[in-house]
Amino acid sequence: KQEVTQIPAALSVPEGENLVLNCSFTDSAIYNLQWFRQDPGKGLTSLLLIQSSQREQTSGRLNASLDKSSGRSTLYIAASQPGDSATYLCAVSNRQLTFGSGTQLTVLP
Amino acid sequence: DTGVSQNPRHKITKRGQNVTFRCDPISEHNRLYWYRQTLGQGPEFLTYFQNEAQLEKSRLLSDRFSAERPKGSFSTLEIQRTEQGDSAMYLCASSLVGLAGVVNTGELFFGEGSRLTVL
Repeated sequence: KQEVTQIPAALSVPEGENLVLNCSFTDSAIYNLQWFRQDPGKGLTSLLLIQSSQREQTSGRLNASLDKSSGRSTLYIAASQPGDSATYLCAVSNRQLTFGSGTQLTVLP
Repeated sequence: DTGVSQNPRHKITKRGQNVTFRCDPISEHNRLYWYRQTLGQGPEFLTYFQNEAQLEKSRLLSDRFSAERPKGSFSTLEIQRTEQGDSAMYLCASSLVGLAGVVNTGELFFGEGSRLTVL
């Protein structure tokens, strides 16, 4: 059974700092990996998708990497802003998505 | 098309009542998923459809839960004889996969969710 772990569970940083969120998964036979953002009481917004054959994807200040063999992914956020405050969820896809519990990020002004 | 739409957004009900949630996926998407999320946790898979066929059901989906996608478009999730433990956010997502001649990434797009509170 696929298990996804996200570390840290919560993170608080001052505005402008670069930061890394970590995700690990136990079964490397994945189709793709997605990072999502979730604001309180809201649905999930897709940030980045990395196909199993890819190593990384970039969108604006976000960069996600994938190392399938070691079962790890990282989400790098450059020059963090208070508007980045949210919960970030990592999910890996076999037939369906398996999610981690998320990292709750707070960016302090 | 503005994305995945879920209704109602909020539902408060008494224990023992039945509730039904509706999901309208992105129009050209052939896969539709239901997830459940409780506070502080990531979403947990419940079931998914490819067109009108229900292809997989989680063990979380007890006999009180039933999902349908009769015409391969919108889907409904019904919970019978609700219990307090059913209180959660029910999320729907859709994706496009396996279509010849089209780049299919399998990316999932989620709706805003339907929050259920069982008193």
